[in-house]
Amino acid sequence: EADIYQTPRYLVIGTGKKITLECSQTMGHDKMYWYQQDPGMELHLIHYSYGVNSTEKGDLSSESTVSRIRTEHFPLTLESARPSHTSQYLCASMGQNQPQHFGDGTRLSIL
Amino acid sequence: GESVGLHLPTLSVQEGDNSIINCAYSNSASDYFIWYKQESGKGPQFIIDIRSNMDKRQGQRVTVLLNKTVKHLSLQIAATQPGDSAVYFCAEKSSNYKLTFGKGTLLTVNP
Repeated sequence: EADIYQTPRYLVIGTGKKITLECSQTMGHDKMYWYQQDPGMELHLIHYSYGVNSTEKGDLSSESTVSRIRTEHFPLTLESARPSHTSQYLCASMGQNQPQHFGDGTRLSIL
Repeated sequence: GESVGLHLPTLSVQEGDNSIINCAYSNSASDYFIWYKQESGKGPQFIIDIRSNMDKRQGQRVTVLLNKTVKHLSLQIAATQPGDSAVYFCAEKSSNYKLTFGKGTLLTVNP
């Protein structure tokens, strides 16, 4: 089982708040990813990183930002949350010649 | 453009029957495919993968078949159990370690 952790698991917060979703992996993987998933729907890539100090926008436009200062951490930040940001956010990492492994996600609800 | 899609959004089977979940892809240059299982409240879990130089790959109770001629992928689950109930996604490596996911099939196993 892959060791990738996301916190918080659930977050209900008001509009306008700054939010940081945490993602950590202990496998030393260089590549990390953030996906957005609405209930029952497919995953959409919003950010990815190939290593420290590397971040790229994904296929789905997102107002969130990410940083990769350390290999283990890939936090996602929303500067000012809005109801349209309500969704599930999934983090994944990938090692050499391996499939992507996912965390259990953060369910975010903006009131 | 690249896309991965599933033929059936839902599949209901009796416990003990075999299940077949289908997936179509459009990028003939794709060389790597993955099946994920996602249970309620969890992140996608890797089931099995296959590279384009193979037609078939077997795991424990699962088999993936790849037909490159018609760009079709299938997941077969033998002796389906209630614990197999979940949403199943196929994913295609689109470019440089990124994956494109299909819409998912909800598998329900009836006791």
